[in-house]
Amino acid sequence: EVQLVDSGGDLVQPGGSLRLSCAASGFTFSSYEMNWVRQAPGKGLEWISYISSSGSPIFYADSVKGRFTISRDNARESLYLQMNSLRAEDTAVYYCARGKQWLVPSFDYWGQGTLVTVSS
Amino acid sequence: DIQMTQSPSSVSASVGDRVTITCRASQSISNYLNWYQQKPGKAPKLLIYSAYILQSGVPSRVSGSGSGTDFTLTISSLQPEDFATYYCQQSSSLPYTFGQGTKLEIK
Repeated sequence: EVQLVDSGGDLVQPGGSLRLSCAASGFTFSSYEMNWVRQAPGKGLEWISYISSSGSPIFYADSVKGRFTISRDNARESLYLQMNSLRAEDTAVYYCARGKQWLVPSFDYWGQGTLVTVSS
Repeated sequence: DIQMTQSPSSVSASVGDRVTITCRASQSISNYLNWYQQKPGKAPKLLIYSAYILQSGVPSRVSGSGSGTDFTLTISSLQPEDFATYYCQQSSSLPYTFGQGTKLEIK
């Protein structure tokens, strides 16, 4: 069974840093592209980052470029999101999502989400 | 960036009703269109990819259509488990963008 387990969310002060993790199981992690998607409280979904199966290329939304870093460890079957210079508007539930590459890109499995709250 | 606009933002319907949600892209995205369902407090679930292809396990009362800029998601006979929020997403070009969501509520 495919499983993605998000962790690392916490309350952090503006300007602070946090590292999110996504532990994968039930599939060959090293063969799949991965993404991070976030959802602010009561709002819609926002894609924020992509990483290929090998670790390159990597892409970011403009809203997080230069502040967030996506990475992966295929040996540990884990995906990461290093978040620096956090702002109040980064408050959201963060989901990792597996990329499905069949005909068109989509996200076929999602983690349960981890809540990041940026507040003083 | 490609903007995705869904309508309506919310809709009330009864069990057994047929419901259609529309999604419009700000430029042509061919068939690079996906639909997701999200229930409160849960992660989104992929329903349809490539505009019309049902993800494994999704019931056949759910269907999608469209290409270019205009797309629809139809649920032919609403069941209690269908009441949720639905999002379209374009995957034609980065950044992948979502519609603002359509909340399907019980009448």
